[in-house]
Amino acid sequence: EDQVTQSPEALRLQEGESSSLNCSYTVSGLRGLFWYRQDPGKGPEFLFTLYSAGEEKEKERLKATLTKKESFLHITAPKPEDSATYLCAVPNQAGTALIFGKGTTLSVSS
Amino acid sequence: DAGVTQSPTHLIKTRGQQVTLRCSPKSGHDTVSWYQQALGQGPQFIFQYYEEEERQRGNFPDRFSGHQFPNYSSELNVNALLLGDSALYLCASSPGDSYGYTFGSGTRLTVV
Repeated sequence: EDQVTQSPEALRLQEGESSSLNCSYTVSGLRGLFWYRQDPGKGPEFLFTLYSAGEEKEKERLKATLTKKESFLHITAPKPEDSATYLCAVPNQAGTALIFGKGTTLSVSS
Repeated sequence: DAGVTQSPTHLIKTRGQQVTLRCSPKSGHDTVSWYQQALGQGPQFIFQYYEEEERQRGNFPDRFSGHQFPNYSSELNVNALLLGDSALYLCASSPGDSYGYTFGSGTRLTVV
C-alpha cells in the first residue's frame, strides 16, 4: 500500500535555529514528490517537486532533497513567518491523485 | 488573481442533511480534484473530474458525489451527513494530467 510518513509531527524552533523535516514514502515507481506549505484555515500552497534521487531545490530559506526512500525539507535560519504546516505528497499508483502525509507543524518564535 | 475559488467558506449543517460545495478552477485548468482534510490530518483524495466525467475515486462512500460543468467548475455533494464528515474540503485544479495542483482555501464544514 502506498504510504507517506512525516516526522516529526510538530517542531518548535527559535528564530535562526536551522533544522530538517523528514518525509518517507513507500510507492512503486515514484512519479515525483511534492512539498506544500499550509497556513491555518487555508489550502496547501505548492513549494517544490522533486523527481529523482539526488535532486535538490531551493526557495529562500527552504531546501528540499530527495533520496530513494525519503525526502528532507531543510530550513535554514528560520523566521517566524515560516511557521506553518508542511505537507509532502506522492502520486498514487493510478497516477490520478496525491497521497499526503499528515504534515509537520513548524512553530518559529522570535 | 485567477486562482481557485471555493464557496461557501464556512458551513454548519445538521446530521442527516445534504450539502453542496462549489469550486471554480484556476483559469486555464480543466481538471478538478476534491480532497477532505480532517483536523490534524493530511488531505485525503475524494475524486477527480475531467471532461465532465469522474476519472477516479478515492475510498469514500457513495454519499459523496460530484459534478463538473462545461466551464470546468465543479460541485461536491454530500448526502446524509454524519458528524465524521466535519472537515475542511479542498478543491484543487490542474491542467490535464499535471500534478501542478493549485488549491483553493477550502470550505470548512461542521456537522452538528
